Amino acid sequence: NAGVTQTPKFRILKIGQSMTLQCTQDMNHNYMYWYRQDPGMGLKLIYYSVGAGITDKGEVPNGYNVSRSTTEDFPLRLELAAPSQTSVYFCASRISQADYGYTFGSGTRLTVV
Amino acid sequence: GENVEQHPSTLSVQEGDSAVIKCTYSDSASNYFPWYKQELGKRPQLIIDIRSNVGEKKDQRIAVTLNKTAKHFSLHITETQPEDSAVYFCAASKTGGGNKLTFGTGTQLKVEL
Repeated sequence: NAGVTQTPKFRILKIGQSMTLQCTQDMNHNYMYWYRQDPGMGLKLIYYSVGAGITDKGEVPNGYNVSRSTTEDFPLRLELAAPSQTSVYFCASRISQADYGYTFGSGTRLTVV
Repeated sequence: GENVEQHPSTLSVQEGDSAVIKCTYSDSASNYFPWYKQELGKRPQLIIDIRSNVGEKKDQRIAVTLNKTAKHFSLHITETQPEDSAVYFCAASKTGGGNKLTFGTGTQLKVEL
C-alpha cells in the first residue's frame, strides 16, 4: 500500500490564482481530512469527509472547497489564493472506528506571493 | 467545540533524562487521545495513543497517562536520546461528527548531548 499520497509537494502561487491539492489513499478508508499547519503552530482542520459524496466544514474552511466523488480521492481547491493561505497542507485518512489514529500524507508546502 | 492546550511549548533535556509533556482538553465526551511526533519537514507520525477506558499505556520508553476527571493527559519519555528531538503534538477526539482530531499547539523537544 502507498498509504496517503499528496501532490504536489511544493507550489508557489500568485495572489488570485487557483489550484487543486490532490490527495489519494489506497487503504479503503472512509474518513478523510484536510489540515493546514502554519509555522510553529498545530494543525487546523479545514474540511473533512466521512464517505464518498459527504463533506463538511472544519475549523478554518474559508477560501477552500472540497469534493469527494470516490472513496480514494479527496482534493482541496483554492479558488482565489491569498497570502494568508501560505502554509503546509496535510491530508489524512482513518478507518471508520472512532478510536484509531490518522495516517497522514507527506504534505504540500504552499507559498502565495 | 473541543479545545486542546499543550505545555510546555519548548522543552530541553539532557540525554538520558526524562521528558514530560502535558495536555488538557475541554470536551468531557472526548474518548481518544493520540500523540504524534513530527520531525522537521516531515509528516506527523503516531507514536502512542490511549482510549478513555484506560488510565495508562506504555510502549518501551514512552508512556501516556490519562486523568478523565481532570481532563488532562500526559506523554512521558524516559531515557531520552538525540533522535527523540522533534515536535510532539497531542490530540483529542470523540465518537461521531467525523471523529475529528483537535490538536494541541505542539512541544519542541530538544535532547542535548
